[in-house]
Amino acid sequence: GAGVSQSPSNKVTEKGKDVELRCDPISGHTALYWYRQSLGQGLEFLIYFQGNSAPDKSGLPSDRFSAERTGGSVSTLTIQRTQQEDSAVYLCASGGVGNQPQHFGDGTRLSIL
Amino acid sequence: GENVEQHPSTLSVQEGDSAVIKCTYSDSASNYFPWYKQELGKRPQLIIDIRSNVGEKKDQRIAVTLNKTAKHFSLHITETQPEDSAVYFCAARSLTGRRALTFGSGTRLQVQP
Repeated sequence: GAGVSQSPSNKVTEKGKDVELRCDPISGHTALYWYRQSLGQGLEFLIYFQGNSAPDKSGLPSDRFSAERTGGSVSTLTIQRTQQEDSAVYLCASGGVGNQPQHFGDGTRLSIL
Repeated sequence: GENVEQHPSTLSVQEGDSAVIKCTYSDSASNYFPWYKQELGKRPQLIIDIRSNVGEKKDQRIAVTLNKTAKHFSLHITETQPEDSAVYFCAARSLTGRRALTFGSGTRLQVQP
């Protein structure tokens, strides 16, 4: 595709529900990243996938957060038992091998009521 | 791990003036330094990047300089225009440890017409 695609663009859910956020990286990109951006804040690293290597999960804030990347392409970020502090924009980025630039998707704006 | 500090947090300039944003990093193994521009409600967009084997890079009105000894890098925007108004993020990526970008906290640039 032309760029990184994320869905849904907006998600409103009640506290305690589970949510799934999807990321479709740029075709051929082996690296995929998830970041979180709270209102007016910077970008907080969550998780990184590179090819078939074990993902770097060091940024996940709690065990309620998990992510998968199937077939080296599409990724899903799952948040279980959502809390109000999970409200943020969740950004996905993909990049090529080595020190290639990362390109971001438009993000999913998650609001927990 | 890597720590990136960015300043100033806000910057207001008159149209036509120059703007400079500075970042410092902690990990001497970092070798890739991109800058992203984020307009309100939009995705971060890569505007320029530099690798550690280069001291300066220019692209029209924007330039980035890197001082590896002092571990700092700067973004320079000349002849600023109102459409340059946005939040700018610097980032660094290390050759060791976490391979995802570590971002600075952002600079809100306002260009007054």
